Amino acid sequence: AQSVTQLDSQVPVFEEAPVELRCNYSSSVSVYLFWYVQYPNQGLQLLLKYLSGSTLVESINGFEAEFNKSQTSFHLRKPSVHISDTAEYFCAVSGMFSGGYNKLIFGAGTRLAVHP
Amino acid sequence: EPEVTQTPSHQVTQMGQEVILRCVPISNHLYFYWYRQILGQKVEFLVSFYNNEISEKSEIFDDQFSVERPDGSNFTLKIRSTKLEDSAMYFCASSAGLAGRVTDTQYFGPGTRLTVL
Repeated sequence: AQSVTQLDSQVPVFEEAPVELRCNYSSSVSVYLFWYVQYPNQGLQLLLKYLSGSTLVESINGFEAEFNKSQTSFHLRKPSVHISDTAEYFCAVSGMFSGGYNKLIFGAGTRLAVHP
Repeated sequence: EPEVTQTPSHQVTQMGQEVILRCVPISNHLYFYWYRQILGQKVEFLVSFYNNEISEKSEIFDDQFSVERPDGSNFTLKIRSTKLEDSAMYFCASSAGLAGRVTDTQYFGPGTRLTVL
């Protein structure tokens, strides 16, 4: 069965510090990987995704994630965080295990708290 | 920017009552989904819907659950007889269905918090 593990439930960090949110997955088939972000009282928004090609993907607001097939990881990083990055971050996978449809399997989420 | 909307934002009901959660997907999208998140647990897939029928459902989605697209704009989730364990945040999502199913981006609504007493 497929699963996603987010190793940290909460990550506190000071503003302008770097951050890494960890995500590992388990799957017997090829996967597509996603990071979603949820700001308070809002829905899940796609932050970035890996489908194929370059293993390093970037978002428009400075986040990046690298697909590492050998380590089955898709960690999210940002070199310098802002207060506005405070949110819940969800790692998710989809793939042909879902019969060709887009079922997303989510991790438990990591709450990023950026302090001044 | 188009967005998925959900109503109500919070629903409180008594155990055994029927509830209907409503969603308005993005207008030109073809695939629709429901997910739920029990407090402190993972977001879980419930069901996907395409061309007016269920495409896939999880083991959670038993006979107590049903989905419908009654009027071409709304997408509803009905729980016939709610249980305490149905208390959760329910998210609706939609995707365009244009770029191939497994790579299609899903756009999520803000969620409906269902509390069963």
